[in-house]
This record gives sequence, C-alpha cells and structure tokens, in this order.
Amino acid sequence: EPEVTQTPSHQVTQMGQEVILRCVPISNHLYFYWYRQILGQKVEFLVSFYNNEISEKSEIFDDQFSVERPDGSNFTLKIRSTKLEDSAMYFCASSDEGLDRGEQYFGPGTRLTVT
Amino acid sequence: GESVGLHLPTLSVQEGDNSIINCAYSNSASDYFIWYKQESGKGPQFIIDIRSNMDKRQGQRVTVLLNKTVKHLSLQIAATQPGDSAVYFCAEKGTDDYKLSFGAGTTVTVRA
Repeated sequence: EPEVTQTPSHQVTQMGQEVILRCVPISNHLYFYWYRQILGQKVEFLVSFYNNEISEKSEIFDDQFSVERPDGSNFTLKIRSTKLEDSAMYFCASSDEGLDRGEQYFGPGTRLTVT
Repeated sequence: GESVGLHLPTLSVQEGDNSIINCAYSNSASDYFIWYKQESGKGPQFIIDIRSNMDKRQGQRVTVLLNKTVKHLSLQIAATQPGDSAVYFCAEKGTDDYKLSFGAGTTVTVRA
C-alpha cells in the first residue's frame, strides 16, 4: 500500500537554526499539507499546498515558515530560525482530491526538538 | 463499556464491548467530518468520514453519527479489540476551507 514518508524521524536543533523537514507524498496525489502536534496536545493545521502554491495557512504559519515542492516527489517544510516553542511532531499529509473528496494520508511524522 | 454525553479525554473499555467516543465541534459551517486513529509514535490514520448532509455512516465495525443541531459527532466501535487502543480525534472542515481542524483526542484503552 502506498504511504507518505518523512525524514528525518527525529531532528534536534539549536534555537535560531534553520531546519528543513522532508516529506515524500503518495505519488499520484495533488494536495499536500503540514500539521504539527505539540506533545500531549491536538493536531494543528499549518498549511495546505496545491498546484505549486499555498491554498491556506494558519496563524501559526508565519514568516519563519515556508514550504516548497522542489521536484516531482518531495514536499518540504522549512523553519528559518527555530524557537523553543517550535518543538513538536510535524506531520505531512497528502490526498489525491480536495479535502472532502479524498482521504488524507498522514506520514509517520518528524519529531523536532529545539534546544 | 460505553461513554455518552460530554467529551471524555480517556475511555477504558472491556475487550468485546462496544465503545462510543464523542466530539463536540464549534463551527456550524463545517460540512465534512472525519475520525482519525493515532497509535503511539504514528501519524493519524483515517477511520471514517461523513458529510453534513448525512446523519449516520457505517464502516467495518465503526459507525459515525452526526447531530448538526447540537454540533455533536460520535464514533461507535463494535466489539472493541486490543488493536483499537489508541487516541481518537475528530476533525472538521468548513465550507471553502482547505484545512482540517482537529478536536482534543480521546485515549481509548482496551482491557483484556
């Protein structure tokens, strides 16, 4: 069964450093998402991406965040200058159709620890 | 065991019993709802969805009920198994939204 993959599984970085979280969505999917989950809290939407542009973003997704689909397979989330409060699990998801027409598949997540 | 009424953060269920997990949503304009299961160390996994023009949908061992009048969603799991132990989240999507808003999860523990 096709699946969303994410690398690395765990990333430790120092405050102020840049990090790039990588995702490989399911190959025929067209819609891509990033979510985060702070330990013990609910999953929070960050950004959705379709047709090489951001469809929607949350208030969390400020100027420190950016997304990119550099080639036909990868979808990345960059945090330019990490803060302690960025420590969380980051989940990538993809779907073949819009949110209410296609199931959204989540990757296993990247645990980001900012020290 | 069953849990009805308000959302509870934890639910302990005897293996073989039915489970009911509740979720209250806030956006009356939400038109699509999903239940996710999240096992430890993994991402959310789709269980079942329902559109706002329906009030009930059934899957394999699961049923989702939607009450738009009181903005309440529930997930029923029949004959709960040890593999059902996980955190369950409801999520909603508003009209014209490109995002899902997740609720607080319910941790389900199945007792053997």
